[in-house]
Amino acid sequence: QSALTQPRSVSGSPGQSVTISCTGTSSDVGGYNFVSWYQQHPGKAPKVMIYDVNKRPSGVPDRFSGSKSGNTVSLTISGLQAEDEADYYCCSYAGNNVYVFGTGTKVTVL
Amino acid sequence: QVQLVHSGSEVKKPGSSVRVSCKASGGTFATDTINWVRQAPGQGLEWMGGIIPLFGTTNYARKFQGRVTITADVSTSTVYMDLRSLRSEDTAVYYCARGVGYINYVGGWFDPWGQGTLVTVFS
Repeated sequence: QSALTQPRSVSGSPGQSVTISCTGTSSDVGGYNFVSWYQQHPGKAPKVMIYDVNKRPSGVPDRFSGSKSGNTVSLTISGLQAEDEADYYCCSYAGNNVYVFGTGTKVTVL
Repeated sequence: QVQLVHSGSEVKKPGSSVRVSCKASGGTFATDTINWVRQAPGQGLEWMGGIIPLFGTTNYARKFQGRVTITADVSTSTVYMDLRSLRSEDTAVYYCARGVGYINYVGGWFDPWGQGTLVTVFS
């Protein structure tokens, strides 16, 4: 049950696209299509942005999208906006009702 | 609309125990799952464990097994997280979060989250 690996930070200018990777193993990310992504602003509770790898909850802008290849999932933010500056965490189901989070990525809007 | 409300901040000494509560309103408490996730200062999110209140079934991250107990009181829609043998590294914000979207309690994601409870451990 090791944390999933994410880059510490990514950055982009307003209007650009950024992609955050999240790498696990065949026991978690690679074994299930149950990966979610959370956005967390400073001092706030996390908020789900993507679930089941690539589905968006109602109310989440379609600028946010998810994908998966093997043991790696990715979150892409298109048309980056100032309010997207936050920390982002992936989370995968790992079997036996156990979950594991990623190490977290800070997104900076330049 | 499901809401999760935490108990207040705690300050504890090393070696002691802490109980944090999370009260749910709205939704179907008994058949939902409630999970606990913690975040140390400046650090990432860490899943600790979860419970299905209806059955009292619990699952814990290997790291916390033997030191954490999650229980539920269906009559008050409240879930409790007890953490024992506290050390300074346990200083963190502890969040409860409802598990949703699972099939036969497999998979799913966390929504909503409570506001969190700060637990500070120092001598």
